[in-house]
Amino acid sequence: EVQLLESGGGLVQPGGSLRLSCAVSGFTFTNYAMNWVRQAPGKGLEWVSAISTSGSNTYYADSVRGRFTISRDNSKNTLYLQMNSLRAEDTAVYYCAKKEYHRTTLWGQGTLVTVSS
Amino acid sequence: QSALTQPVSVSGSPGQSITISCTGTSSDVGGYNYVSWYQQHPGKAPKLMIYDVTNRPSGVSNRFSGSKSGNTASLTISGLQAEDEADYYCSSYTSSSTTYVFGTGTKVTVL
Repeated sequence: EVQLLESGGGLVQPGGSLRLSCAVSGFTFTNYAMNWVRQAPGKGLEWVSAISTSGSNTYYADSVRGRFTISRDNSKNTLYLQMNSLRAEDTAVYYCAKKEYHRTTLWGQGTLVTVSS
Repeated sequence: QSALTQPVSVSGSPGQSITISCTGTSSDVGGYNYVSWYQQHPGKAPKLMIYDVTNRPSGVSNRFSGSKSGNTASLTISGLQAEDEADYYCSSYTSSSTTYVFGTGTKVTVL
């Protein structure tokens, strides 16, 4: 069964850090670029970051560039998002997603990150 | 990078057709044939419905179709059904530094 399982979300204070993980199964992880997409409560989707198959190329939205770092461990079939200097506006459900060319073909169920004191 | 512009809501009766617009610029929607559409039911993850402007993934009903004219892309749902009631988002590749941009989202209501 094809599955993307996010973990690592939770409550963190402003200025704090959190690392999200996404464990992938059911397809050849090394063949696909990956995305992180987030959705603030009651709001729309926002593309956050993307990474190439090897991890050598990474891309970020202006809103997170310099604070978030995307990475992957192809030996563990796992995608990561290191989030530093977190702000209230980073509060959202974070989705891990499989990228094929210029489309996102498969999404995880998401993990909630809440930034609050 | 600003979000692509979609109408807040669109509604229709069962069996009718509705169209959702997605307006961007020549740097995104107008410049590339890389527009995708996603359906999201409450509390669920999004689902890809259309990619590369007009293409439907395997398993998606042929009641869903996409098109583009200039800087505006459109999603048409024909033969509207109760299960089509959901939020719909467009997305496009963009030549700006953010790489991809989503639309503001449209809530489809089946009357």
